[in-house]
Amino acid sequence: SQTIHQWPATLVQPVGSPLSLECTVEGTSNPNLYWYRQAAGRGLQLLFYSVGIGQISSEVPQNLSASRPQDRQFILSSKKLLLSDSGFYLCAWSTGVPYNSPLHFGNGTRLTVT
Amino acid sequence: DQQVKQNSPSLSVQEGRISILNCDYTNSMFDYFLWYKKYPAEGPTFLISISSIKDKNEDGRFTVFLNKSAKHLSLHIVPSQPGDSAVYFCAASPGVSSNTGKLIFGQGTTLQVKP
Repeated sequence: SQTIHQWPATLVQPVGSPLSLECTVEGTSNPNLYWYRQAAGRGLQLLFYSVGIGQISSEVPQNLSASRPQDRQFILSSKKLLLSDSGFYLCAWSTGVPYNSPLHFGNGTRLTVT
Repeated sequence: DQQVKQNSPSLSVQEGRISILNCDYTNSMFDYFLWYKKYPAEGPTFLISISSIKDKNEDGRFTVFLNKSAKHLSLHIVPSQPGDSAVYFCAASPGVSSNTGKLIFGQGTTLQVKP
């Protein structure tokens, strides 16, 4: 069966510090991968998605970036965190179209920027 | 621009009664809709979905209704149970031409089912 791992579960970082969140998927190959963010009082906002190694699409302009160095690994990064980067970050995967494969989410990372 | 809207931030119902969660969308190209359920400190889990060619889909206690002309869908939970207490997200797929699998989510509705 497929599983998705996301770490760390919680993170407290000072403003201006770098960020690296990692996500890996097991049990499937060539998944579509996604980073979502849930900010306080808001829904789930799509930040990045990837349909293959090295292929990254950005949905919103921001100081975050994403990379996919391996087929089942997705990394969210920032060189300098802002207070507004605080939120709940979720990694997700699917095999493609939602009809056959809804998004499957990890347990998320609670990021607090102080 | 919020393309998927859940205008009720919260809903409280008594155990055994019906819970109705609503969702509106603006993009007529959306062709597939999903509901997700989320507990605190966990990722959302898929609950039920509906294609735009249907107006109803049922799975046990959960039924989703779609009104394309009104661009409105709703999730009915009957009977509601305390374990249903969670945040419910409505989501839409951008269209059959998109093979990216990405979904557009609403803001979520927090459901509380009281024993």
